[in-house]
Amino acid sequence: NLMLTQPHSVSESPGKTVTISCTANSGSIASKYVQWYQQRPGSAPTIVIYQDDGRPSGVPDRFSASIDFSSNSASLTISGLKTEDEADYYCQSYNSNNQGVFGGGTKLTVL
Amino acid sequence: QVQLVESGGGVVQPGGSLRLSCATSGFPFDRYAMHWVRQAPGKGLEWVALIWYDATNIYYGDSVKGRFTISRDYSKDTVYLQMNSLRAEDTAVYYCARAYCEGHCNSPGLEPLRDWGQGTLVTVSS
Repeated sequence: NLMLTQPHSVSESPGKTVTISCTANSGSIASKYVQWYQQRPGSAPTIVIYQDDGRPSGVPDRFSASIDFSSNSASLTISGLKTEDEADYYCQSYNSNNQGVFGGGTKLTVL
Repeated sequence: QVQLVESGGGVVQPGGSLRLSCATSGFPFDRYAMHWVRQAPGKGLEWVALIWYDATNIYYGDSVKGRFTISRDYSKDTVYLQMNSLRAEDTAVYYCARAYCEGHCNSPGLEPLRDWGQGTLVTVSS
């Protein structure tokens, strides 16, 4: 069944661009939409990308996402990094049993 | 505005039970699927359960299946999570979330978790 794997951590400097991957280790990344959530310390998660590449109102256009069918993975890209982007990021989708599946999360450090 | 407010968390002994509530407002409750997601201390997010907008379909994560029950009360705009046979590994912050999609959607309920509550902490310990 679907499992999503993310890098444990990434770091980059302010103003730079960072990409976080989310690889489907079993099942197809394309079978259901992928979402991305941001979670700052001590806060509930908030959605930053829905349905593969949609951006909710209020989320800066510095946030974008895509699906790479050849590598069976999704990616979240944040450009023009700001210190406020420092957070944990989770990808999420659904498996064939209609269960939600989260990636393990990636800690983004902006230094 | 949309509000999701969880309550009912606390400390419970292993083997015990607890019922969480998620009171909602600011949207037509009977039109949206609702989910529970949890997060153990220092760990990542784990999906727990889903109930369709009309409660005709319900799904659970493998780790809680047979022990937890999700339900909803349309007269109170509230979704519940009844947790039985609790274990130490159920210790977590429990979040409720409203799901909906835009445009072309997957199957009902299998939607982005667009709005989240602030969470309620459940501690299972003797």
